[in-house]
Amino acid sequence: DSGVTQTPKHLITATGQRVTLRCSPRSGDLSVYWYQQSLDQGLQFLIQYYNGEERAKGNILERFSAQQFPDLHSELNLSSLELGDSALYFCASSMGLDGGELFFGEGSRLTVL
Amino acid sequence: KNEVEQSPQNLTAQEGEFITINCSYSVGISALHWLQQHPGGGIVSLFMLSSGKKKHGRLIATINIQEKHSSLHITASHPRDSAVYICTIQGAQKLVFGQGTRLTINP
Repeated sequence: DSGVTQTPKHLITATGQRVTLRCSPRSGDLSVYWYQQSLDQGLQFLIQYYNGEERAKGNILERFSAQQFPDLHSELNLSSLELGDSALYFCASSMGLDGGELFFGEGSRLTVL
Repeated sequence: KNEVEQSPQNLTAQEGEFITINCSYSVGISALHWLQQHPGGGIVSLFMLSSGKKKHGRLIATINIQEKHSSLHITASHPRDSAVYICTIQGAQKLVFGQGTRLTINP
């Protein structure tokens, strides 16, 4: 058990819809990272938050947004969903801003029909 | 060219063999991570390296900062080691992932 909790584990929705994925980091970790893993691609870094502030952006679409709340949990919002957004979405946490051991959640599997 | 290149992409070996997976990168980093992803999808962090060598059980990871290269070794491999191994570099507050090495260990 990594200590990182992601919900929901599975989600099926339709094109055009909006969903929210939630991540609770390991106790004491201030950084939360979001990743996307599609069937035909490896892991892609989306965005990092540290102590409530956005710190780094990767290949995140404009239709996607994220935030980290004062209690350090984070949400990834995906809107105007397309078939190609079907993927596993992972979050990971670490203690520091840059560097430090990563702890991964089990992922949220999103299927867009 | 990807900032992180792993080799081989696929590796099949017999139980007991010594396994080496390589990772080369092209940018400055603050740390390098080796991750393991099992068929169910879950990801486990195996090592975080910024220099030298680390060992955990049958797994050994090394990094050469000057050559921008890291290796993951598995001694006395076992079918339960079958997984995808992913090299990840961390720097400038972002993570870049290698494409992964799919390892299959046959009994």
